[in-house]
Amino acid sequence: EVQLVESGGGLVQPGRSLKLSCAASGFTFSDYYMAWVRQAPTKGLEWVASISYDGGSTYYRDSVKGRFTISRDNAKSSLYLQMDSLRSEDTATYYCTTATFYFDYWGQGVMVTVSS
Amino acid sequence: DIVMTQSPSSLAVSAGETVTINCKSSQSLLYSGNQKNYLAWYQQKPGQSPKLLIYWASTRQSGVPDRFIGSGSGTDFTLTISSVQAEDLAIYYCQQYYDTDTFGAGTKLELK
Repeated sequence: EVQLVESGGGLVQPGRSLKLSCAASGFTFSDYYMAWVRQAPTKGLEWVASISYDGGSTYYRDSVKGRFTISRDNAKSSLYLQMDSLRSEDTATYYCTTATFYFDYWGQGVMVTVSS
Repeated sequence: DIVMTQSPSSLAVSAGETVTINCKSSQSLLYSGNQKNYLAWYQQKPGQSPKLLIYWASTRQSGVPDRFIGSGSGTDFTLTISSVQAEDLAIYYCQQYYDTDTFGAGTKLELK
């Protein structure tokens, strides 16, 4: 059974940093592109970033370019999202997903609140 | 970015009815190289993470009941749910993966 378990969320002040982690199991992690998708409270879904099988290629939405870094450790079957210079508009639930082309499997999500 | 427009934003139906949710993209999602439409549908139940229902516009994900049917091509797509059940209460999103991934705003399905 595919499992994606996010961690690392919480309350953080604007301008500060936070690192999210996603532990994957139940599938061959290195066979999948991976992605982070977020959802602001009571809002819709928004793709944030994606990473290729070996981490050699990364992709970001414009609003997070230069502030967020997606990475992966295939030996640990783990995905990460380093979030720097956080803004109030980054407040959301962040989901770890597999990314074939579409988003096949989703974690339960982790909440990030950016507020002073 | 490709803009995805869903309609209606919400609808209320009785159990057993058939519902249709529409999704329109600002440009064609049909790739001529493989004749595939780069569109997916997701279901998000209250308090849960989204779940993939349909990809390539009409292919059901494993385990998804056959009452969920995806159709359409180019810029106009439809998710049809036949014989709606109480467990189908959810928000439904379309998503294009032809270009930088974007989602529709969602359609909330409520039961009368």
